[in-house]
Amino acid sequence: NAGVMQNPRHLVRRRGQEARLRCSPMKGHSHVYWYRQLPEEGLKFMVYLQKENIIDESGMPKERFSAEFPKEGPSILRIQQVVRGDSAAYFCASSSGTAGGASDTQYFGPGTRLTVL
Amino acid sequence: GQSLEQPSEVTAVEGAIVQINCTYQTSGFYGLSWYQQHDGGAPTFLSYNALDGLEETGRFSSFLSRSDSYGYLLLQELQMKDSASYFCAVLPNSGGYQKVTFGTGTKLQVIP
Repeated sequence: NAGVMQNPRHLVRRRGQEARLRCSPMKGHSHVYWYRQLPEEGLKFMVYLQKENIIDESGMPKERFSAEFPKEGPSILRIQQVVRGDSAAYFCASSSGTAGGASDTQYFGPGTRLTVL
Repeated sequence: GQSLEQPSEVTAVEGAIVQINCTYQTSGFYGLSWYQQHDGGAPTFLSYNALDGLEETGRFSSFLSRSDSYGYLLLQELQMKDSASYFCAVLPNSGGYQKVTFGTGTKLQVIP
């Protein structure tokens, strides 16, 4: 009964490199959310996806960041040409998207901690 | 706009009761959730209120007053393992896509 899976758990990149973060939602969940968390801060919404569709990317920086959720395989958050300010924890969450209220609870993965040197 | 306010830090003694408040101003409101996050860990869901009143789940209870745009999380019989950050989060609508807005979190330290 696997929960939300993310990998890698820790990722170190040098400035200018690319970072790829993966998220496999909980079984039966078709909604995926990505959040960024800076140290000592709350979670900031980045993007919401369903299979093969980006529904809301209003929280994504306009440049260098992209996300996808293909028909097969995990959701990917991609950061190109990383800078030191991209260092943060990136959490993925999934939900079933059915009905309302508590059944839309978002379940979080363990996060990927990105460090840019 | 969306904003949620929580105290940044709270300290309480093991075995005691602590209340963490959350006030919100959001353009849409359907319900209020609470999450717990230990250092280096993932946020985990604790409770959810869509209606006014108190919801109890074991040692944790959550309260909502929609007219006051206010809620709180009550932790009873505090244990050392309760030391963590606690986030309130607003669900803007019912069903389907939820662009949840999280508060900045309250860091709870439980001391012996």
